[in-house]
Order: sequence, then structure tokens, then C-alpha cells
Amino acid sequence: DQQVKQNSPSLSVQEGRISILNCDYTNSMFDYFLWYKKYPAEGPTFLISISSIKDKNEDGRFTVFLNKSAKHLSLHIVPSQPGDSAVYFCAASLYGGATNKLIFGTGTLLAVQP
Amino acid sequence: NAGVTQTPKFQVLKTGQSMTLQCAQDMNHNSMYWYRQDPGMGLRLIYYSASEGTTDKGEVPNGYNVSRLNKREFSLRLESAAPSQTSVYFCASSEARPRKQFFGPGTRLTVL
Repeated sequence: DQQVKQNSPSLSVQEGRISILNCDYTNSMFDYFLWYKKYPAEGPTFLISISSIKDKNEDGRFTVFLNKSAKHLSLHIVPSQPGDSAVYFCAASLYGGATNKLIFGTGTLLAVQP
Repeated sequence: NAGVTQTPKFQVLKTGQSMTLQCAQDMNHNSMYWYRQDPGMGLRLIYYSASEGTTDKGEVPNGYNVSRLNKREFSLRLESAAPSQTSVYFCASSEARPRKQFFGPGTRLTVL
């Protein structure tokens, strides 16, 4: 049973336009959400996160929105750049005390066309 | 500051062979993790270690063993490799706060 879902395997966007990547989750106990970016042949790198007590977090061109009632989060990239082309994973976390396991979605491949 | 390092980068095994994937971090993190990434499956947790001396199973532990050698190092062992273990393996580390994990570059393993 997939607790974190990214239903769009891929997304293509023109340079300069907005990219919107979506993620849905089923466990209402998740209280922290993260987005990771992954280039080919590299490990995932942290991009941005949001706590469940907020509904928006912004960092430069990247904004994450959280809709708890819909169990949905989205990542907005504005403006999109060719260097943003990568696989994006959303992840969710339950507070676990000494350690915090992450549950990852299946990823969305973003292609930004010049 | 190297972050999380993994060796080897690539490995080809025959069915039934054994091997150990090595992971080390220099960020003084207490928690370490092993994931596998398969096409269309995202990242799935194999084992994790909350602190030195402790290990716990994740989502897909069958066929693997781990050792938390010290605070820096966390190894993953395949005792008898199977083709189903062909995957890319990532090691990660974190503190309890903030909750982001830092990943290594990965090991691409092929089992024939």
C-alpha cells in the first residue's frame, strides 16, 4: 500500500514557465514533508521541506504548498530553468524520536525545455 | 567535508555470491539508512540505524544484513545475491532535528 503517491511519472515545461509537481499521501499522522531532487548517477539532494503546522514554505524559486484536508502537497518552481531537469521525489515523515524514517513517492521526471 | 561516501560505485555479481556495500559519513550524524531504488518504485528503506549499536528493519529487509560498525560507518551485506537484488543502493544519514537526510552517490549493483 503506497502511502505517498506521485501520480505523474513525467512532466515537460518550457523554460521560464511554472512547473507544478504534485504529491498525495494517505497517512494523516505524517507531520513533516520534504522534496528531494535527483540527477542521473547522483544521490538525491534535499530541496525544500514543510511542517504540517504550515501551509506554505518558500525558498527562492521553490515553493511547497500543503493542503492537509486533501492530504496533498505540491512543489512550484518559478521560473523553470533547464538545470531544474531532474527526478523529483516527495517524502513524508512521522516523528520517530531518535530517528525519522522517510516514506518516498515514486518520483516525477521533470524536463525543462529551452 | 565529503558528506556521505559509498563504495563501490558499481558492482556486478553472479547469483549466490556475497558482497558488502560500505557507507561512511563525516557529519557526526547519529542515524544512518540504507535504501534501494528501482524503476517506478521510488526509494525503499532496507535497514536503518538510529544510533551506534542499534539497527532495525525497514520496508524491504529480506536478503540483507547490516552492521553499524561505529558512528561513522554503516555497511550493507548481501549474503547470497539474487537477480531481484539488482538495484541502485543509497546510504543516507541524518540527525533527529532537522529531519532531512543526506544521501551518498549510490552503488549500482547488477546480479546476473
